[in-house]
Amino acid sequence: KNQVEQSPQSLIILEGKNCTLQCNYTVSPFSNLRWYKQDTGRGPVSLTIMTFSENTKSNGRYTATLDADTKQSSLHITASQLSDSASYICVVSDRGSTLGRLYFGRGTQLTVWP
Amino acid sequence: EADIYQTPRYLVIGTGKKITLECSQTMGHDKMYWYQQDPGMELHLIHYSYGVNSTEKGDLSSESTVSRIRTEHFPLTLESARPSHTSQYLCASIPPANGVSDSSYEQYFGPGTRLTVT
Repeated sequence: KNQVEQSPQSLIILEGKNCTLQCNYTVSPFSNLRWYKQDTGRGPVSLTIMTFSENTKSNGRYTATLDADTKQSSLHITASQLSDSASYICVVSDRGSTLGRLYFGRGTQLTVWP
Repeated sequence: EADIYQTPRYLVIGTGKKITLECSQTMGHDKMYWYQQDPGMELHLIHYSYGVNSTEKGDLSSESTVSRIRTEHFPLTLESARPSHTSQYLCASIPPANGVSDSSYEQYFGPGTRLTVT
């Protein structure tokens, strides 16, 4: 069964600190992996998308890494801000069909305190 | 920010009522999707459409129905709402794929509708 597991489930950090969120997946055959940020009561917004051949991708203070061999990804947030408080969702897609199924993790709920 | 809209944003309604959740996008995207998300849980695909007059069921069984009469509009209807339908409903769309798998393209999400059935 294709799954996406994220850890930790929730995380509290102080403003200005760095943090790293983890994503492990079993989706196969792998197509790409995305990280989304979802503010409370809003739809997810894309942060990064990585294909099999990409090891790292940055978007401002967000840096995602991908190890396709171990099927692991991480999202590193640098110099956190209060506005970073949100749920961060890892999404993996397969290439088994033209639909390209998306498999969603349950997200890591990040809270940044002043 | 993507131009995809959902109304209402919040809806509290009694059991047995018929409801329609609206989703529209102004980007000319052919493919549109409906997801259901419970608090702290992952998104589940309940419906998708590849274009006008095309609708399909998603991975998660749902008593809702959808229609796609216009490219920009993808409404979801519940004929008789029940408390088990309480959830957040998210609409999404992707640009035209030209034969490439959908998974290669960015999905743009609407802000969601938080539905509560009492």
